Amino acid sequence: SQQGEEDPQALSIQEGENATMNCSYKTSINNLQWYRQNSGRGLVHLILIRSNEREKHSGRLRVTLDTSKKSSSLLITASRAADTASYFCATDAGDDKIIFGKGTRLHILP
Amino acid sequence: DAGVTQSPTHLIKTRGQQVTLRCSPKSGHDTVSWYQQALGQGPQFIFQYYEEEERQRGNFPDRFSGHQFPNYSSELNVNALLLGDSALYLCASSLGVGFPSTEAFFGQGTRLTVV
Repeated sequence: SQQGEEDPQALSIQEGENATMNCSYKTSINNLQWYRQNSGRGLVHLILIRSNEREKHSGRLRVTLDTSKKSSSLLITASRAADTASYFCATDAGDDKIIFGKGTRLHILP
Repeated sequence: DAGVTQSPTHLIKTRGQQVTLRCSPKSGHDTVSWYQQALGQGPQFIFQYYEEEERQRGNFPDRFSGHQFPNYSSELNVNALLLGDSALYLCASSLGVGFPSTEAFFGQGTRLTVV
């Protein structure tokens, strides 16, 4: 079963613009992670944010977490062609099962 | 430092056959989780191994079984293959279990096609 649900399902933006993806989940979590996947290959870990954190940055990535709304957002600033990929949020409810959403397919237009 | 390695990268099997997929975790990691990812979907949790035992299991039938070896590498076995088992199978390794969880590192996956 899916825990997280990303929104939108697909997103196309011009290179250089910012991209924002959202994730909503259903149950309480210990942490939430964002992953990137290129063309059906392995997932690359981007950021882990713990339930007691509200915001985290890594390079051009900014992740927020609102546990009261059970939601998270991933912002990619100054997008590049190489950012074209599927992005997944994954939640850990403390039972050591990392549960993924269905993903947002991001396409950066030249 | 080698990351998570999976073998084989691609595999074609006939319905009813059995398949074994292999995973070597990232150096220093002792926990291996397996996921099934159908086309256009997010990865679905199959099970997790720690200390050579299955600790957690998702909603997958008993046809899916696994094993973890003393060197922490792992195998995923699927018996009586169905067409619906065609998917990308991903292995993830991490360190330890329980809170606080750490990030999981994924391999490139094994693309299984059942015909």
